[in-house]
This record gives sequence, structure tokens and C-alpha cells, in this order.
Amino acid sequence: NAGVTQTPKFQVLKTGQSMTLQCAQDMNHNSMYWYRQDPGMGLRLIYYSASEGTTDKGEVPNGYNVSRLNKREFSLRLESAAPSQTSVYFCASTRIFGASEKLFFGSGTQLSVL
Amino acid sequence: EDKVVQSPLSLVVHEGDTVTLNCSYEVTNFRSLLWYKQEKKAPTFLFMLTSSGIEKKSGRLSSILDKKELFSILNITATQTGDSAIYLCAVELVYGGSQGNLIFGKGTKLSVKP
Repeated sequence: NAGVTQTPKFQVLKTGQSMTLQCAQDMNHNSMYWYRQDPGMGLRLIYYSASEGTTDKGEVPNGYNVSRLNKREFSLRLESAAPSQTSVYFCASTRIFGASEKLFFGSGTQLSVL
Repeated sequence: EDKVVQSPLSLVVHEGDTVTLNCSYEVTNFRSLLWYKQEKKAPTFLFMLTSSGIEKKSGRLSSILDKKELFSILNITATQTGDSAIYLCAVELVYGGSQGNLIFGKGTKLSVKP
């Protein structure tokens, strides 16, 4: 049972470089999320996709774009990385949106932007 | 703005001690409160609470919600070194805003010494 799979696990970028974080879930979940976690800040929502074909901004969307490629996959793109985007990124999914469903998290991506 | 506050932010105890972690919230439209445990990477689900006064229990961990006073506690009895982790509290909203439907606290870092 893979659950939620994120790649890569670690990444170092230079300022201005671009990259895409990949996320896939095999639980047939409808809703997917991208969070970032910074020391002392807790988990903050970047973007989410309540269902296939829809995406919405979360609390901290600036500097990011997302694509819900299909029901399984939800990618996060940094077009021009900045040091402020150094963080741990988590992808998560729920069976349906907004119905007291627990989140299933991926193992995270540690991103450093120099 | 909706917010979730956890206390203490960090805690060091010795094996065998009992600990109580606190989570208070101020939100506009409460649906449920969730607790997660985060060891090395991905948060894992512990409890979901929706009704006041009903204790949820799993082994040495238990949690209860007070919807009148707007808080929840997570108790861990007879702590073990394996309980060392960050414990996250999150409140689910009926209608989310830019923060999404799930508002996370900053977490309590628990360290259990042998």
C-alpha cells in the first residue's frame, strides 16, 4: 500500500531555478493538497484540488503553480525559486473534500533554495 | 482570522511521565478537531473529535474536546521514548477560506528522555 508518494525527497536549487514536485496517490481519493512546513509556522496550505479538474489557492500561493494532472496526480511547480521557499513540502489527500476526512500525507520533500 | 493555538510549543519529560498537550481555537465555523503525530516526516492521524465531552482513546493516548471553552487536550500516560514527536492539532471548518478547510496549530514538540 503506497498511499501518497512524493518525489523527490530532497532538492537543492539555486535562486531563479525552476522545478516541479510530483505527488501521486493510489487510494482513489478525490481531493489533494500541497502544504509547506516551516519551523515555528506549522503547516500552511499552498494550493488544493477539491476534485479532479479543479484547483484553488490556499493561504500561501504566491510563487507557486499547480496542476491536477488526473485523479491520481497533483504537481506543484516553482517557476523561479527564492530562498523564502526553502521549506519542507507535503502533499496530502482525502477521500472527499470538506467532510471530516482525515488527511493522508506523503513523506515530504526537503527543499533548499540557495 | 481563524486560528489554532497549541501549548506548550515544546516539552521535555522522562519516560513514565504523563503529559497533557493543549489546543485552543478561535474559528468561525467549527466542524471537527484532529490530532496528528509527526515523527520524522509525514504526520500520521491520531484522533478526530466532533462532540464535546466524549473521550477518544487509543492505548496510552486519549483526547477530549470542549466546544464551549473551545479547546482540546491530548493526554499521553506512561510516556515512552517512541512518543517523542511533534503533535499537531488541526481544526476543520465547515466553510474554509484562504487557509483552506483545515487550520493547523504550530505543533508541540515532545521529547521523552530515557
